[in-house]
Amino acid sequence: DGGITQSPKYLFRKEGQNVTLSCEQNLNHDAMYWYRQDPGQGLRLIYYSQIVNDFQKGDIAEGYSVSREKKESFPLTVTSAQKNPTAFYLCASGSGANVLTFGAGSRLTVL
Amino acid sequence: GQQVMQIPQYQHVQEGEDFTTYCNSSTTLSNIQWYKQRPGGHPVFLIQLVKSGEVKKQKRLTFQFGEAKKNSSLHITATQTTDVGTYFCAGPNSGGYQKVTFGTGTKLQVIP
Repeated sequence: DGGITQSPKYLFRKEGQNVTLSCEQNLNHDAMYWYRQDPGQGLRLIYYSQIVNDFQKGDIAEGYSVSREKKESFPLTVTSAQKNPTAFYLCASGSGANVLTFGAGSRLTVL
Repeated sequence: GQQVMQIPQYQHVQEGEDFTTYCNSSTTLSNIQWYKQRPGGHPVFLIQLVKSGEVKKQKRLTFQFGEAKKNSSLHITATQTTDVGTYFCAGPNSGGYQKVTFGTGTKLQVIP
């Protein structure tokens, strides 16, 4: 089955800890994205990557970091510098026409 | 930077009534996409419009792309409870990188 796998589905973190969210795709898409969604809110772009070893900051990149060492993988690290990290994180990959396929999401809660 | 706004933010309709959401971009879009997110789920692609003034239909859903390619609308005829969810428009920027900006979304509630 082609698709995007995000893990973990739920994650709890103590303040001051870094956490890494995994995103893997087998759609052979070049572009990958990370969005953040807060309750009742839209999707805000954190980082995106068009090709391996290259990525760009989105609209709310502060406190986050990413890597793109493989085409299939685009992990997101939520660092302790992110002031309000509790949110629903969505990873997506995109075809040449910019149509996005989303993973099921990771819900992060800071205790 | 590019901003994409949608109105209304929320809409409650009686089952069988029509529903429309409007999307407006601060910049001209090369194409516009619509996605639906069911409660507790993730956004799922519905359709993409590319041409100025384009109109596409999917059963009870009608999508329209504005002549200036800066606005779009989604109209649902005779809503059903299965239409419940949040509808997002999204558009790529015109730069070399494939940055895709999503609208603020319209949350639809259908009252049976």
